[in-house]
Amino acid sequence: AQKVTQAQTEISVVEKEDVTLDCVYETRDTTYYLFWYKQPPSGELVFLIRRNSFDEQNEISGRYSWNFQKSTSSFNFTITASQVVDSAVYFCALSEAGNSGAGSYQLTFGKGTKLSVIP
Amino acid sequence: ETGVTQTPRHLVMGMTNKKSLKCEQHLGHNAMYWYKQSAKKPLELMFVYNFKEQTENNSVPSRFSPECPNSSHLFLHLHTLQPEDSALYLCASSQDPAGVAKNIQYFGAGTRLSVL
Repeated sequence: AQKVTQAQTEISVVEKEDVTLDCVYETRDTTYYLFWYKQPPSGELVFLIRRNSFDEQNEISGRYSWNFQKSTSSFNFTITASQVVDSAVYFCALSEAGNSGAGSYQLTFGKGTKLSVIP
Repeated sequence: ETGVTQTPRHLVMGMTNKKSLKCEQHLGHNAMYWYKQSAKKPLELMFVYNFKEQTENNSVPSRFSPECPNSSHLFLHLHTLQPEDSALYLCASSQDPAGVAKNIQYFGAGTRLSVL
């Protein structure tokens, strides 16, 4: 069964600090996809990134970077020079392709990490 | 503007009321989803529609009744709800049909429901 663990429930940082949000996943599939979403106070989940299990290259997008390590089943997210607008709940999610390549309807989410950036 | 619009944004209803939540996607997507987000719980998938056909009912009580008249619109009809049904209800859509593991779901802002 697939599972996503975000051990950090809440994090507070001072503006301009770097912060890393942890995500650990469990899956028996060799083909799967990992996602990060941001949920600001307005409510909608905003898609940030998708990574497939065969691509372990780290990715950087502006102040955001992601570190995917299959050896530790982790897909961590770092925000560099945090800003107040980064304050939100961040969700990591996993989707399994299944042995036949047919996907599951289930996108399994972690419980989220609430990030507060203090001015 | 996310491309997925949900109305109303807030709803308060009594346990004997009947109400409906509406979701509209302007992205030309083929699949639509309803999720429930309760405090301190992971998002729970409720229903999935592929090309207007329901393909998943995640053991949701019958007091929640979905309707998908076309691939752009999704409704959630509510009747005789319980206080524990109070939550944020999120709608999502994806280009790929549900069941394609790589598909990206795009979410609306949700309806905050309070059942008194």
